[in-house]
Amino acid sequence: GESVGLHLPTLSVQEGDNSIINCAYSNSASDYFIWYKQESGKGPQFIIDIRSNMDKRQGQRVTVLLNKTVKHLSLQIAATQPGDSAVYFCAELSGGYQKVTFGTGTKLQVIP
Amino acid sequence: DVKVTQSSRYLVKRTGEKVFLECVQDMDHENMFWYRQDPGLGLRLIYFSYDVKMKEKGDIPEGYSVSREKKERFSLILESASTNQTSMYLCASSSHAPLTANYGYTFGSGTRLTVV
Repeated sequence: GESVGLHLPTLSVQEGDNSIINCAYSNSASDYFIWYKQESGKGPQFIIDIRSNMDKRQGQRVTVLLNKTVKHLSLQIAATQPGDSAVYFCAELSGGYQKVTFGTGTKLQVIP
Repeated sequence: DVKVTQSSRYLVKRTGEKVFLECVQDMDHENMFWYRQDPGLGLRLIYFSYDVKMKEKGDIPEGYSVSREKKERFSLILESASTNQTSMYLCASSSHAPLTANYGYTFGSGTRLTVV
């Protein structure tokens, strides 16, 4: 079956440094990818998305990179802040029904 | 600001009880979803709905049912709660329109259900 997975379950980063969270996916037909952030006690929040016809997309302090050759997705957070501490999920969509497959998540811990 | 509201943040129920989890969205979204979230397992889809009166099974529908009588409301029902249904339950909604801004889901804050 298809799967979406994360390389690192926990990532500790010094405040001010850049963070990189990685994700592998296996469905080559996936055409849309999303990163979500989930803070403790809250539901996941949309951070940034990217379509399969793009390699890179930038938001405010965040960048998503898509490498379709190796089926790899990454989220880069610039100048990581304590408020960035959360669990980050990657997700993929394929087909027409917006059924999303989520990874298990990576916990980002920011060290002050 | 768009919103998905889940009626309860915390619930404690007894084994065998019938449990209703309510979710309301104010974005006029066609699609609504129920997930459960467990440590190490991530988000797993229970049921979803693409229109009023319509429902589809997700990956783990056993022990659950749903109701969508109105577009804005999607209810998850545990007919006879069991301890293995102790979990965080997340509701989400999305629009039919692909390739528009924020194609992804809007999630509620979650309901943490404990079955004792």
